[in-house]
Amino acid sequence: AQSVTQPDIHITVSEGASLELRCNYSYGATPYLFWYVQSPGQGLQLLLKYFSGDTLVQGIKGFEAEFKRSQSSFNLRKPSVHWSDAAEYFCAAGAYGQNFVFGPGTRLSVLP
Amino acid sequence: KAGVTQTPRYLIKTRGQQVTLSCSPISGHRSVSWYQQTPGQGLQFLFEYFSETQRNKGNFPGRFSGRQFSNSRSEMNVSTLELGDSALYLCASSPQGIDTEAFFGQGTRLTVV
Repeated sequence: AQSVTQPDIHITVSEGASLELRCNYSYGATPYLFWYVQSPGQGLQLLLKYFSGDTLVQGIKGFEAEFKRSQSSFNLRKPSVHWSDAAEYFCAAGAYGQNFVFGPGTRLSVLP
Repeated sequence: KAGVTQTPRYLIKTRGQQVTLSCSPISGHRSVSWYQQTPGQGLQFLFEYFSETQRNKGNFPGRFSGRQFSNSRSEMNVSTLELGDSALYLCASSPQGIDTEAFFGQGTRLTVV
């Protein structure tokens, strides 16, 4: 069965520090991979996506993610975190004809 | 360009009742998918509709159903509500399918009492 795991339930970083959120997937083939962000009481906003090609993907708000096929990973990174980045982050995977699967989410807290 | 609109935003229902939630996708998008979000189970895929046909279905009981109209608007129905159906229900629209890119609405918060 398809699955997406995010090992870190909650991460706290200081403003200005770098950030890496981990995501691993288990799928029959290489799926399309996504990172979404959700602020309290809001829907999800797409940060970036990987379909194929360059394994380093640039997204909005200064985020990037790197696809590593050998590790079945798609980790999200940001070089310098801002207080407004505090939110819940979801990694997701999908493929045509397969169910769309979300990870459990990682809650990010930012210290001033 | 208007985003995905879900109505109502908040809903309180009694156990045993049924409820219908509505989702208007972004103009031109043909795919609408539905998700249930709860603190315990996280985000779970309910189903996807594409051009009025159900294309994918998650692991939910038959009490959960949906449909899509010719204008791509979609409705989700839950019959015989249970306390455990209390959740945030999110709708997403996509030009070609959820396996490409999805744009989410703000959700409908359903509380079953």
